[in-house]
Amino acid sequence: QVQLVESGGGVVQPGRSLRLSCAASGFTFSDHGMYWVRQAPGKGLEWVTLIWYDGSNKYYADSVKGRFTVSRDNAKNTLYLQMNSLTAEDTAVYYCARSRGGVGTTADWGQGTLVTVSS
Amino acid sequence: DIVMTQTPLSSPVTLGQPASISCRSSQSLVHSDGNTYLSWLQQRPGQPPRLLIYKISNRFSGVPDRFSGSGAGTDFTLKISRVEADDVGVYYCMQTTQFPYTFGQGTKLEIK
Repeated sequence: QVQLVESGGGVVQPGRSLRLSCAASGFTFSDHGMYWVRQAPGKGLEWVTLIWYDGSNKYYADSVKGRFTVSRDNAKNTLYLQMNSLTAEDTAVYYCARSRGGVGTTADWGQGTLVTVSS
Repeated sequence: DIVMTQTPLSSPVTLGQPASISCRSSQSLVHSDGNTYLSWLQQRPGQPPRLLIYKISNRFSGVPDRFSGSGAGTDFTLKISRVEADDVGVYYCMQTTQFPYTFGQGTKLEIK
């Protein structure tokens, strides 16, 4: 059974950094591209980043480019999101999601972790 | 960026009746590989999103056949043949044809 469990969220001051993790199980992690998608409180969904199965390619939303870095450790079955220079606009629930062959989109989702940027 | 526009933004529906949500993209979603990467997701209250439909009309595993997708190019539709209480939530279209990937604003489905 596919499981994606995000962690690392919390309250952080503006300008500071935070690293999120997404622990994957129930599938061969190294075979799948992975996404981060976020949702501000009461708002819609916003795609943040995509990393290929082997980490060779990474893509970012303009709103996070240069501040956020996605990475993965296939030996640990874990996806990461390093978030720097955080602002109030980054306050959101952050979801990790798995791509699946032939689907071409976010096939399976975790429960999310809440990041609150506030002084 | 490709802008995804959903209508309506709110849809009150009677149980057992059909529902329909439209999604229009600001440019064609046909990828150079010939596929159209338009998907539909459901988000029930307090839950993460769940994939319903991918590549316009393919139901994801475990999705009831009450849900169907159609369309081409820039115009797409999600239909629920008979709405059940469990269908309440927000529905999003999403394009993964071109970076940055983008979502529609969401359509809130509620029971009359």
